[in-house]
Amino acid sequence: EADIYQTPRYLVIGTGKKITLECSQTMGHDKMYWYQQDPGMELHLIHYSYGVNSTEKGDLSSESTVSRIRTEHFPLTLESARPSHTSQYLCASRRAEGETQYFGPGTRLLVL
Amino acid sequence: GDSVTQMEGPVTLSEEAFLTINCTYTATGYPSLFWYVQYPGEGLQLLLKATKADDKGSNKGFEATYRKETTSFHLEKGSVQVSDSAVYFCALKSGQAGTALIFGKGTTLSVSS
Repeated sequence: EADIYQTPRYLVIGTGKKITLECSQTMGHDKMYWYQQDPGMELHLIHYSYGVNSTEKGDLSSESTVSRIRTEHFPLTLESARPSHTSQYLCASRRAEGETQYFGPGTRLLVL
Repeated sequence: GDSVTQMEGPVTLSEEAFLTINCTYTATGYPSLFWYVQYPGEGLQLLLKATKADDKGSNKGFEATYRKETTSFHLEKGSVQVSDSAVYFCALKSGQAGTALIFGKGTTLSVSS
């Protein structure tokens, strides 16, 4: 059973609001990832981190930002939410090369 | 660059039917290959994996064999159940250090009783 958590699970918010999606894992994993999942279910990597103070942008350009101040936490922030940000956001983590990547349950975001 | 192509869905089957979901990949070097499953309202779970050519991954009655000669990793199950209804993702991990998983677009499976 994977110990990776995401909050909130569901969020409905108005345009222009600042939001932070939380992701935490208790497995001591160095590598963490954020994916955006579109309605067609395709996954797009938007951010990743290889450890504390390491963050990189993924394959899909995103207006969100991330931080990695502690190993356990990898929050994603949208400074000003827009309807185009409506999506499901999945967080994942992995200990090292060749090991299983674990996913959180996801946050489903709706921006009105 | 590396990529994964899997058959488009949805796939609709009756209970106890045989399932095949095709997956082919393009990669440099020797990637590891994975199948993940996503049940409604949940995140992705690892279903099975194979790390080298000719390896067979298996779990919960599902199987997939890493075929280097055909660059394929097709998912099969001999007798599906209604509870297998989900979205299935094929993925690869490049042999290069530090790279994230690369996913296919997902295949939705719907099993009816």
